[in-house]
Amino acid sequence: AQSVTQLDSQVPVFEEAPVELRCNYSSSVSVYLFWYVQYPNQGLQLLLKYLSGSTLVKGINGFEAEFNKSQTSFHLRKPSVHISDTAEYFCAVVKGGGSNYKLTFGKGTLLTVNP
Amino acid sequence: DGGITQSPKYLFRKEGQNVTLSCEQNLNHDAMYWYRQDPGQGLRLIYYSQIVNDFQKGDIAEGYSVSREKKESFPLTVTSAQKNPTAFYLCASINGGALTEAFFGQGTRLTVV
Repeated sequence: AQSVTQLDSQVPVFEEAPVELRCNYSSSVSVYLFWYVQYPNQGLQLLLKYLSGSTLVKGINGFEAEFNKSQTSFHLRKPSVHISDTAEYFCAVVKGGGSNYKLTFGKGTLLTVNP
Repeated sequence: DGGITQSPKYLFRKEGQNVTLSCEQNLNHDAMYWYRQDPGQGLRLIYYSQIVNDFQKGDIAEGYSVSREKKESFPLTVTSAQKNPTAFYLCASINGGALTEAFFGQGTRLTVV
């Protein structure tokens, strides 16, 4: 069974500092990976996705993530954060190569950007 | 514009009553999902459906039921058997063939008193 582990439940950081939100997955087969952002009382918005190809994926709002198959990780990074990046971030996985589209999420990381 | 619509945004029910949450999409997506979100728990999968007239239990299906009679609709019923139904519920859909991304509704906050 596939699963997703987000290693930090909360990450506080100062404005303009770099940030990394960590995500590890477990699956015995190929996977598709996603990062989503959620602002309070709203649905989720896609930041970026890895389906295949280049392991460095660039997304919206200056975020990027690197797929590392050997470490089964898909960490999210941003070189300089803004106050407006304060939100909850979710990593998600779908098992690839088949017809089962079970979409599994991690427990989320609350990013708080302080002035 | 294409998207997913969840209704209502806020819902209040008395304990012991069944309640149905609506989810409609006009994206022509094959797969649809229901998640429950509680603080610190992330999104937990309740049910998902990959085609019309078929659906699978997720990780926390007990006390919930769904139907998928039409491609665009995937209603969720929270039954009286659900022990702790107060939560934020999110519906999503995905184009299974292209598997690009999951689109989410704005959620329904259910409060049972």
